[in-house]
Amino acid sequence: KQEVTQIPAALSVPEGENLVLNCSFTDSAIYNLQWFRQDPGKGLTSLLLIQSSQREQTSGRLNASLDKSSGRSTLYIAASQPGDSATYLCAVTAYSGAGSYQLTFGKGTKLSVIP
Amino acid sequence: DAGVIQSPRHEVTEMGQEVTLRCKPISGHDYLFWYRQTMMRGLELLIYFNNNVPIDDSGMPEDRFSAKMPNASFSTLKIQPSEPRDSAVYFCASSFRTSSEAFFGQGTRLTVV
Repeated sequence: KQEVTQIPAALSVPEGENLVLNCSFTDSAIYNLQWFRQDPGKGLTSLLLIQSSQREQTSGRLNASLDKSSGRSTLYIAASQPGDSATYLCAVTAYSGAGSYQLTFGKGTKLSVIP
Repeated sequence: DAGVIQSPRHEVTEMGQEVTLRCKPISGHDYLFWYRQTMMRGLELLIYFNNNVPIDDSGMPEDRFSAKMPNASFSTLKIQPSEPRDSAVYFCASSFRTSSEAFFGQGTRLTVV
């Protein structure tokens, strides 16, 4: 059974700092990996999607990397801003048998960027 | 497109009552997912549909939970009878393909008292 782990569970950084969020998964046979952002009381917003054949994706100040063989992904946020404060979730899509695919989530890293 | 639309946003009900949550996926998306989020367990997949057909309902916790998708633009998640431990935020999501980006609704916060 696929398990997704995100460390740390919470992170606090001063504004302007570059930071890295980590995600690991137990089964490397994935189709893709997504990073989401969740603000308090809100739904999830997709930030980046990396297909299994890709090594990284970039969007603005965000860069996500994928090392499928080692079961790891990182989300790099450059020049952090208070508006980046949110919970960041990592999720992998993998085949779960009998024609079924599952998107399995980590429990997230709660990021606080201090002005 | 307005994105994935869920209703209601908040629901408070008494134990034993029937609860129905609703979802309108993004037009053209073939996959629809129902998730439940709690502090203890995080986000858990309950069930998903492909072209209105339930594909995997192994995450549905009990027979008290049921989901339907009568057409490509509407799905319901029903809990009958509801129990306090069902209190959670329920999310609906849709995607074009399994390998595509998943888009989430704003969720329904369910409180069963």
